[in-house]
Amino acid sequence: DVVMTQTPPSLSVAIGQSVSISCKSSQSLVYSDGKTYLHWLLQSSGRSPKRLIYQVSNLDSGVPDRFSGTGSQKDFTLKISRVEAKDLGVYYCAQTTHFPWTFGGGTKLELK
Amino acid sequence: EVQLVETGGGLVQPGRSLKLSCVASGFTFNNYWMSWTRQAPGKGLEWVASITNSGGSTYYPDSVKGRFTISRDNAQNTLYLQMNSLRSEDTATYYCTRGGQWHYWGQGVMVTVSS
Repeated sequence: DVVMTQTPPSLSVAIGQSVSISCKSSQSLVYSDGKTYLHWLLQSSGRSPKRLIYQVSNLDSGVPDRFSGTGSQKDFTLKISRVEAKDLGVYYCAQTTHFPWTFGGGTKLELK
Repeated sequence: EVQLVETGGGLVQPGRSLKLSCVASGFTFNNYWMSWTRQAPGKGLEWVASITNSGGSTYYPDSVKGRFTISRDNAQNTLYLQMNSLRSEDTATYYCTRGGQWHYWGQGVMVTVSS
């Protein structure tokens, strides 16, 4: 199984700061079609997860461009610029390149 | 607007069965793979099952293979998860999701396996 390792497990941030979350996979996430199926999701407290970014760097509709995703092969990063209160919650990276599909352990973003 | 509404959760004894349903609306159901993903209380996310557009192929992790069955009724825009031989570790909120890239999620339904 592909192991997704997210760091750090938690982050304390002040409003307006920028933060980065790392996600490393135990295998390359490049699929046979050449695409990389690495996604980022946010789960706000008490809510269902919401996808923010798909295939490494593509923002979902309505997601502000303060969010950006970069990376390739086995090493990926989510950056949030100018953090707002509504950005707080648990961020997960997830891969759908290899079965079984797997998630990172999550990064909890909290207010400092 | 895409909507996914799960039903069928509840309290069930270990070893018993339960069937979840997810009614989809706001998109052409038979154009998309569908999946179930779960989250144990206070824990992270775990993929549970996926099914292709036509229902011809299904996929599971080892943790549920042989016990859970995903199916769909494209005429009724409904996704199902039949869960047999339930264990305490299956206790979780179960989410219905559209596609193979977790684009849309339902509100989730709680399943508690306990005697």
